[in-house]
Amino acid sequence: AQKVTQAQTEISVVEKEDVTLDCVYETRDTTYYLFWYKQPPSGELVFLIRRNSFDEQNEISGRYSWNFQKSTSSFNFTITASQVVDSAVYFCALRESNYKLTFGKGTLLTVNP
Amino acid sequence: ETGVTQTPRHLVMGMTNKKSLKCEQHLGHNAMYWYKQSAKKPLELMFVYSLEERVENNSVPSRFSPECPNSSHLFLHLHTLQPEDSALYLCASSQDLAENEKLFFGSGTQLSVL
Repeated sequence: AQKVTQAQTEISVVEKEDVTLDCVYETRDTTYYLFWYKQPPSGELVFLIRRNSFDEQNEISGRYSWNFQKSTSSFNFTITASQVVDSAVYFCALRESNYKLTFGKGTLLTVNP
Repeated sequence: ETGVTQTPRHLVMGMTNKKSLKCEQHLGHNAMYWYKQSAKKPLELMFVYSLEERVENNSVPSRFSPECPNSSHLFLHLHTLQPEDSALYLCASSQDLAENEKLFFGSGTQLSVL
């Protein structure tokens, strides 16, 4: 069973639309960390956010927001008023009580002008 | 300038060749990682080094051989690879191995094995 599931393989939207990328995780640890990374065409994964399991406050950073819900083991990512530069592959990842970072398969987001 | 630099960006090699991938981090981090990214698969952790000692060898075939001569440099030596080894190889670093540490990635080496 996958520890991190990103059910959406590809999403295509038109500029200025809002889009939500889903992430569902599985762990037995009580302490864990969740991450989102962005991989633009250049290849380098760029860190977006980190969340620990004890902090369920939603977070907003500009056009980006994250909704962490332990009850459903989800950590969804919303981009408001999407832009072409948001086109990338987005990865959700889980780090449990060891150093291993487990990634989902990623969601390819294409924002069309 | 990125904190993690990987060379080469692209590599094409035959199955009998020997080549090496290089990774250098300028962030003063103590932990370094090799990941493999294949199409339609999650990133796979291959090797982890902490303070130049290998702490993880994730069932990786022996045709991949890592080397960490110091905390700033990480190599992946390749020999007698198979076509299925074609992938993007990503290097990453973090301050240490604590679970809350975020990873900083390089741009990767796109490897094609013919």
